[in-house]
Amino acid sequence: AQKVTQAQTEISVVEKEDVTLDCVYETRDTTYYLFWYKQPPSGELVFLIRRNSFDEQNEISGRYSWNFQKSTSSFNFTITASQVVDSAVYFCALRHRNNNDMRFGAGTRLTVKP
Amino acid sequence: ETGVTQTPRHLVMGMTNKKSLKCEQHLGHNAMYWYKQSAKKPLELMFVYNFKEQTENNSVPSRFSPECPNSSHLFLHLHTLQPEDSALYLCASSQEIGLAGGYNEQFFGPGTRLTVL
Repeated sequence: AQKVTQAQTEISVVEKEDVTLDCVYETRDTTYYLFWYKQPPSGELVFLIRRNSFDEQNEISGRYSWNFQKSTSSFNFTITASQVVDSAVYFCALRHRNNNDMRFGAGTRLTVKP
Repeated sequence: ETGVTQTPRHLVMGMTNKKSLKCEQHLGHNAMYWYKQSAKKPLELMFVYNFKEQTENNSVPSRFSPECPNSSHLFLHLHTLQPEDSALYLCASSQEIGLAGGYNEQFFGPGTRLTVL
């Protein structure tokens, strides 16, 4: 079975604060893929990153960074110096290689206040 | 048009109506998906079409009927819906390596907000 848990339902921060969104996953497969998506108020899910299970290298893209730890089955997402435009619902997702079924977490609603 | 488009963006229908949701992808992808997003529930995968063949049907009630006439278009036909079917319906597409699926990210449309009265 595959499952994604985003324990933080809602997070509120003040602009310029750093914030980390947690994602914990469960899977029995050795080959899988992890994703983060952003859903702004407009509704469209925007792809942010994909990470393969055999690549534990952390990634940084501007103010965004991702920490993948297979030992704890976590794929956490950090926004540095948050901005109001970062306000959205963020989803973590898991997918196995030979399966179209992408399992999403419940999402974390991030509110960045000016 | 670019990316994945969905029409209509909003739909209100009665329980006895028949309506259809349309999705079109302009990315040259070979797989398309329908998801349901209800309040306080994770995104639920409803249907998957890989190379125009339906490969997944996650126990979706028969009042939802998908159609994929070609790799760029996907429809969701609705009839005799229930109020609990009110939700945001999202379409997505991806480039897969075969019928068995792959690992590529899915690109989503803006969704159709459906309200069933």
